[in-house]
Amino acid sequence: GDSVTQMEGPVTLSEEAFLTINCTYTATGYPSLFWYVQYPGEGLQLLLKATKADDKGSNKGFEATYRKETTSFHLEKGSVQVSDSAVYFCALSTPSGYSTLTFGKGTMLLVSP
Amino acid sequence: DGGITQSPKYLFRKEGQNVTLSCEQNLNHDAMYWYRQDPGQGLRLIYYSQIVNDFQKGDIAEGYSVSREKKESFPLTVTSAQKNPTAFYLCASRTGSGRDTQYFGPGTRLTVL
Repeated sequence: GDSVTQMEGPVTLSEEAFLTINCTYTATGYPSLFWYVQYPGEGLQLLLKATKADDKGSNKGFEATYRKETTSFHLEKGSVQVSDSAVYFCALSTPSGYSTLTFGKGTMLLVSP
Repeated sequence: DGGITQSPKYLFRKEGQNVTLSCEQNLNHDAMYWYRQDPGQGLRLIYYSQIVNDFQKGDIAEGYSVSREKKESFPLTVTSAQKNPTAFYLCASRTGSGRDTQYFGPGTRLTVL
């Protein structure tokens, strides 16, 4: 079945450091790929997405490129801020009838001033 | 404002009691979903519904029940048969094709005393 694997956290960085959170996937067909962010005690917010190979999703300085050859969708940001501290989830959906999401376990990011 | 509302935000239940979590959306979305989140885990799918009066079991449906009598509403009942119901419950909705984004509500934290 479909699966998503993320690097385990927490990832601890100083403000203005470069961020990479790795995500790889296993899926049949051609999934859509997503990054969601969750702040403490809240629901998930869509951060970015990509629907086909070589697409780059971007939002708020975050980027991720859909790499079919390596089945990866790594999240990057050039300069993190304290306000980026949150849990980040990688997810995929396949364009079947019900199109459910398969999530990774999440990676906590902690940014210190 | 369009969005997804979940109520209550915090819910306490005694063992052996059934409890119903509310999820309402005014986004005119067709599909709705319920997920469970446990500490350090990704989200696991409980139930989902593509249209009114139709719903499907997800990966962890045992001990839960749902109804979809209106397009806007998808309540989740946690029954006494659910062995470990303490968790954070998230509702989501989606429109259109399988490549469209799922949008999440703020969640309900259920604690069994």
